[in-house]
Amino acid sequence: AQSVTQLDSQVPVFEEAPVELRCNYSSSVSVYLFWYVQYPNQGLQLLLKYLSGSTLVKGINGFEAEFNKSQTSFHLRKPSVHISDTAEYFCAVSADNAGNMLTFGGGTRLMVKP
Amino acid sequence: DAGVTQSPTHLIKTRGQQVTLRCSPKSGHDTVSWYQQALGQGPQFIFQYYEEEERQRGNFPDRFSGHQYPNYSSELNVNALLLGDSALYLCASSLGYRGRPQHFGDGTRLSIL
Repeated sequence: AQSVTQLDSQVPVFEEAPVELRCNYSSSVSVYLFWYVQYPNQGLQLLLKYLSGSTLVKGINGFEAEFNKSQTSFHLRKPSVHISDTAEYFCAVSADNAGNMLTFGGGTRLMVKP
Repeated sequence: DAGVTQSPTHLIKTRGQQVTLRCSPKSGHDTVSWYQQALGQGPQFIFQYYEEEERQRGNFPDRFSGHQYPNYSSELNVNALLLGDSALYLCASSLGYRGRPQHFGDGTRLSIL
């Protein structure tokens, strides 16, 4: 079975500052990794994914994430945030041998302040 | 190109009733998954349908059942509703499944009184 831990439930940050949202996972098999964003009263939008290859993955809206197999982490970063980035962010994994069933972390609320 | 569409958007039921939620996958997708998202939590996997069969199931009781039609659309049925079933129910679709990213709809907000 897989599990995902998002280490921060809330991250307040000022506009134009950099941000990192942390994600650690646990799995006994190879995994695929994803970050999703959820705006109020909406579903989840895929930000980026790691399937294989380069460990630095670039996504939409200027976000990027780095897969670190030895530390079982997949932290999300953005060099300069905007007010519009205020949302809930979810890290998720699916096991290589288990279809694409997603196991989600508990989420991190990013709050961008002016 | 239509994305994943779900209906209804909101629903209010009472304990013991039954409910059916509907999902149309993104154009070109053939696999549908359902998730339950309780308030303030991450989504939890309920089950996945591919080729009209349930392929994977999460840790949910038999009160939760589903169906996939030949046009790939899907239904989630919940019987004998409990207060704890109040949640946002999300449908996600993908083309195939292994390693494929899922695209989510906006969900159905189910409230149980």
